[in-house]
Parts: sequence; structure tokens; C-alpha cells
Amino acid sequence: GNSVTQMEGPVTLSEEAFLTINCTYTATGYPSLFWYVQYPGEGLQLLLKATKADDKGSNKGFEATYRKETTSFHLEKGSVQVSDSAVYFCALSRNNFNKFYFGSGTKLNVKP
Amino acid sequence: GAVVSQHPSRVICKSGTSVKIECRSLDFQATTMFWYRQFPKKSLMLMATSNEGSKATYEQGVEKDKFLINHASLTLSTLTVTSAHPEDSSFYICSGLAGGSSYEQYFGPGTRLTVT
Repeated sequence: GNSVTQMEGPVTLSEEAFLTINCTYTATGYPSLFWYVQYPGEGLQLLLKATKADDKGSNKGFEATYRKETTSFHLEKGSVQVSDSAVYFCALSRNNFNKFYFGSGTKLNVKP
Repeated sequence: GAVVSQHPSRVICKSGTSVKIECRSLDFQATTMFWYRQFPKKSLMLMATSNEGSKATYEQGVEKDKFLINHASLTLSTLTVTSAHPEDSSFYICSGLAGGSSYEQYFGPGTRLTVT
């Protein structure tokens, strides 16, 4: 089957610290992988995506590399800001992005 | 990015009553909309996929007679929780699929349903 596992939160960091949120997946075939971010009171927003192995998605200083050999798509940022505080969801999709499978979300708290 | 709204954002209803949640794509046409349910500290669970003008496709374990979905236009889908019970209390999120080459889903802000 298809599933996504991501590290439990909350993750609390000081501003300018390095961020890693782990995400691994199980899927048949070759899924596309995504990171979504949910700010308080708002809907999920696409942060970045990768559609094939070894692709790197990047946006707003965040990066994630599609690693087929380790079935992982870890999210990283070199220097977090207070404004990055949110819940981050890892997800996979097959069939032209129609059906998504989400991880449980990781809450990130960044302190000044 | 495109915007999806949901109404209401919060609703409290009594056990046994029905409640309707609206999902609107404000600046794009969504031929396909999705309804998710999110439990505390859990992932989003896909409940159903609805295509404009046709019946919704429900995921295994989701009661179609309890969660009625209507997708009457390219910008509006509704979810009606019928005869609600406290165990239906949850956070419901919809999304619209934008076509073209991106196939990106745009999510609404969610509706918090509390059944007393």
C-alpha cells in the first residue's frame, strides 16, 4: 500500500538553527512527493515537490531530495525564522496527483 | 496561488442534527474536489473525491449515506454530515484540483465540527 511516515513533533528550534524533518514513504511504483505547510488558521499550502528520483524540490530556503534508495524525502532548511513556525506535512501522490497520502504532520516552533 | 474557502470555519451542532459545509474555489475552476478529515495529531484522511456533475467516490470505510457530497458546479462542493454524532467531531478540509500541467491541489482552511 501507500503510506507516509514523518517524525513526530513538536520540533522547537531557535531562530537561525538548522532544520530537518524526516519523512519516509511506502508506495507502489513511482510516486510524486510533496511537502505542504499549514500556518495557523490557514489551509495547507504546497511548499515544494519532486516528481522523480533524485529530484530536489526547493522553495523559500527549504529543500528536500527524492531518495528512492532510502524511500525518503527529508525536509531541510539551513536557517529557520520565527515566521517558519507552522505544521509541515509530507505527502505522496500517484495517478497524476489525484489521490494524496499524508503523513501525520510535524509542528515546528521557532523561538526568537 | 489559487484560493479555496470553506464555510463555516467552526460549527457546533447537537447530536442527531445535520450540518452542511461549503467548499468554494474562488479564482479557479475545480473539476475535482476532495474532502479530508483530520484527527488530532493524525494525518489527513481522504474521505471522498467528487467530480463536478457526477457522484462522489468514497474511500473504503467512509459511509456515503452519512457524509453526503454534492459538487454542483465547478466552484462549489458541499459536505453534509447527516444525523451527526459526537464521534463525527473533527476537522474537515476540502481541496480543489486545478487542471492544466500543474495538477496542484489547493486546500481550504478547514472546518471545525463539534457535535454535542
